[in-house]
Amino acid sequence: AQSVTQLDSQVPVFEEAPVELRCNYSSSVSVYLFWYVQYPNQGLQLLLKYLSGSTLVKGINGFEAEFNKSQTSFHLRKPSVHISDTAEYFCAVNNQAGTALIFGKGTTLSVSS
Amino acid sequence: GAGVSQSPSNKVTEKGKDVELRCDPISGHTALYWYRQRLGQGLEFLIYFQGNSAPDKSGLPSDRFSAERTGESVSTLTIQRTQQEDSAVYLCASSLGTSDSSEQYFGPGTRLTVT
Repeated sequence: AQSVTQLDSQVPVFEEAPVELRCNYSSSVSVYLFWYVQYPNQGLQLLLKYLSGSTLVKGINGFEAEFNKSQTSFHLRKPSVHISDTAEYFCAVNNQAGTALIFGKGTTLSVSS
Repeated sequence: GAGVSQSPSNKVTEKGKDVELRCDPISGHTALYWYRQRLGQGLEFLIYFQGNSAPDKSGLPSDRFSAERTGESVSTLTIQRTQQEDSAVYLCASSLGTSDSSEQYFGPGTRLTVT
């Protein structure tokens, strides 16, 4: 069965520092991988997705993620964060039936000045 | 255009009462999903509708939970005889296609509190 593990529940960083949010998945089928962001009091918004092709995926707001099949990872990175990046970040993988996404428990990114 | 909308935004109910949550998907989206997000947890899949196909109900936690969708429009999630452990944010999402790679667009959620 598919599963997603987000290794860090909270990541505090200072503004303009780089950040990496870690995500590992387990799947027995071809994977599609997603990162969603949830800003305070807002709905989930897609940051980026990996379907096939290049393993380095670029998303909105300067985020990127790299699909690593051998390590079953899909870590999210940003070279320089802003206060406005403070949010909850969720990694997700398609379920085996292709009917829904399986989400990790989320990582809270807190950016301070 | 309009995104996914959900109502009510907040619902407080007494234990044992029934509640009904509503989701209006993006027009033209054939797929609709319900998820539950408990405090400090990720999203749990509840149910999936795709066009006129039989829904995937594999995520519903008990027979107190049910959902309906009329065609490719509004969906309602009903929870009967609510329990305190049902307290959560219930999220609805919709997507364009039949592919599992289709982007899901999420509504703002309904926060359910069972007292």
